[in-house]
Amino acid sequence: NAGVTQTPKFQVLKTGQSMTLQCAQDMNHEYMSWYRQDPGMGLRLIHYSVGAGITDQGEVPNGYNVSRSTTEDFPLRLLSAAPSQTSVYFCASSYPRRERGNTGELFFGEGSRLTVL
Amino acid sequence: RKEVEQDPGPFNVPEGATVAFNCTYSNSASQSFFWYRQDCRKEPKLLMSVYSSGNEDGRFTAQLNRASQYISLLIRDSKLSDSATYLCVVNRGYIPTFGRGTSLIVHP
Repeated sequence: NAGVTQTPKFQVLKTGQSMTLQCAQDMNHEYMSWYRQDPGMGLRLIHYSVGAGITDQGEVPNGYNVSRSTTEDFPLRLLSAAPSQTSVYFCASSYPRRERGNTGELFFGEGSRLTVL
Repeated sequence: RKEVEQDPGPFNVPEGATVAFNCTYSNSASQSFFWYRQDCRKEPKLLMSVYSSGNEDGRFTAQLNRASQYISLLIRDSKLSDSATYLCVVNRGYIPTFGRGTSLIVHP
C-alpha cells in the first residue's frame, strides 16, 4: 500500500535555487494539500487542491506554486528558495467528509526536510 | 486569535497516570473534529475522530462540546509509548486546521 509518497526526503538548496517537491497518492483522493512544519509553529497550510485543475492558497502561500493536472499528483514548486523556507514539508490527502463511510482522515506522506543555505 | 488553540505543554506524567488535553476552536461553522498523534520527526497519524456523543478507543476517550467550542482527549493508564505530540484538528468543509500540538512525555 503506497498511500502518499513524497520525494525527496531530504534536500539542501542554496538561496535563489528552485526545486519541486513531488507528491503522489494512489487512493483516488479528491483533496490534496501541502503543509510546512516549523518548531513551535505547528502545521501551516501552504496550498491545497479539491480536485484536478483546482488549486487554492492556504495560510502561507508566498514563494510557492502548485498545480494539479491529475488526481494523483500535486507537486510543490519553490521558485527562488530563501533561508526562511527551511522547514519540514508534508503532503496530505483525503476524501472530503461528504459520504457515509468517509472519515475525513488526512493521510500524510513521510515528509521532506528542506534546508536552504 | 488562532483558529485552533492548544496548550503546548509539555505534560510530564508517570506511567499509569491519567492525562487530559483540551483544544478550543473559534469557528462555530466547523464540521468535523479529530485528534492526530505525531511522533518526533514523523508524519502525523489519525488517533481518533471526535463526535458530540463522545467516543472511546481503548484507553483513549474523546469529547466534543459544540456549545463551548472545545474538544478534549483523555488518556488513561499512560504508557511510555504514548509519549508524542497530540494535534487537535478541526475541519470546515474540505479544509483542516491544525492546532500547534500538545507534547506528552510519559516517564517510568
